[in-house]
Amino acid sequence: NAGVTQTPKFQVLKTGQSMTLQCAQDMNHEYMSWYRQDPGMGLRLIHYSVGAGITDQGEVPNGYNVSRSTTEDFPLRLLSAAPSQTSVYFCASSSLLRGTDTQYFGPGTRLTVL
Amino acid sequence: AQSVTQPDIHITVSEGASLELRCNYSYGATPYLFWYVQSPGQGLQLLLKYFSGDTLVQGIKGFEAEFKRSQSSFNLRKPSVHWSDAAEYFCAVGVKWRNTGGFKTIFGAGTRLFVKA
Repeated sequence: NAGVTQTPKFQVLKTGQSMTLQCAQDMNHEYMSWYRQDPGMGLRLIHYSVGAGITDQGEVPNGYNVSRSTTEDFPLRLLSAAPSQTSVYFCASSSLLRGTDTQYFGPGTRLTVL
Repeated sequence: AQSVTQPDIHITVSEGASLELRCNYSYGATPYLFWYVQSPGQGLQLLLKYFSGDTLVQGIKGFEAEFKRSQSSFNLRKPSVHWSDAAEYFCAVGVKWRNTGGFKTIFGAGTRLFVKA
């Protein structure tokens, strides 16, 4: 199993540009989520999904969109990048069978918005 | 509101010395508690977790943690630190999120561990 994969690893954008961060998992997990990590703030939940076709907002959803058309993929879209979105983004997945279980994290995408 | 506090931003220990990283949480129900480790440039890896039962939990790489309900704490310990343990450590609590079946993991701000020879 590859686990959770994320692409790209690094990205530099100009203010106002759009892009999609890709996330895929091969563990057949129902639950997938996106976090951003900023210094001194731990990880904060952006959006999450409990299955294909079902998504919901997390703590810091503004400026981000998601969709979940398949179990495997959960892309994160930035429609109009802002410098405040400079961060490291992590995708995670887990099984919902036990309610709240271990999350498996991808290696992260480091995004810089100029 | 749910929260996780890691009072130490960074800790330095000598190789071979014992380690304790502190974690306090605030959550009204029975918590699901986790410790994750993040090496530089890497994602997070689960060290151990507590759901119920024995309050002393064993994890990977020789780590253990003890859940103390009366103190709302879940401190991470290791009897002898190795240089390869240098990393950032995150305590986290899993909570239900709204009524959609979702849940989220609330992370502390992290403690960076430095190991000196």
